Amino acid sequence: GENVEQHPSTLSVQEGDSAVIKCTYSDSASNYFPWYKQELGKGPQLIIDIRSNVGEKKDQRIAVTLNKTAKHFSLHITETQPEDSAVYFCAVANSGYALNFGKGTSLLVTP
Amino acid sequence: NAGVTQTPKFRVLKTGQSMTLLCAQDMNHEYMYWYRQDPGMGLRLIHYSVGEGTTAKGEVPDGYNVSRLKKQNFLLGLESAAPSQTSVYFCASSYSRLQGTQYFGPGTRLTVL
Repeated sequence: GENVEQHPSTLSVQEGDSAVIKCTYSDSASNYFPWYKQELGKGPQLIIDIRSNVGEKKDQRIAVTLNKTAKHFSLHITETQPEDSAVYFCAVANSGYALNFGKGTSLLVTP
Repeated sequence: NAGVTQTPKFRVLKTGQSMTLLCAQDMNHEYMYWYRQDPGMGLRLIHYSVGEGTTAKGEVPDGYNVSRLKKQNFLLGLESAAPSQTSVYFCASSYSRLQGTQYFGPGTRLTVL
């Protein structure tokens, strides 16, 4: 099955700095790459996604980049705020039904 | 529009007891999923359904059964709970697999003693 590696497992940044989380995957047929944010005591929530025919996508302070050749994609958060503190999960899907999740990155933004 | 709801929010079981977790969605989604989340393990798919009356196994299906008798509901059953099933369980739904986006419920925290 698909192997999704996510790094780092924990990340601490100061408010206003940028945060970058990286994921690698193994299946070259993968074509959908979402990122989820999970706040304490809640379910994961989609924050941004990208498909294999696009190299980069932005939504305000959040961006995702995809390198299909190298089989990795990254989440970039600029101008971080304390409310960005949460656990972030990358996921990968191909033509099947299931998402394969990374193990998560705990992001802490300190004022 | 409540989205995806899960019942109950918390439950404590003794080894060998049985229970059913209920997931309901009001978005008319075809696809529904059950995941478990354990520390350091991310989310792992237990079972999923691609439509009313259908179910399929995911990555970690052993010890669980599911049913999708109505389009809006997806039930997860534990026939004989084991301590290894202590976890947080999340239900999710999506409009279609091509659409991709899965919407998650708030989770059920289950402890098996």
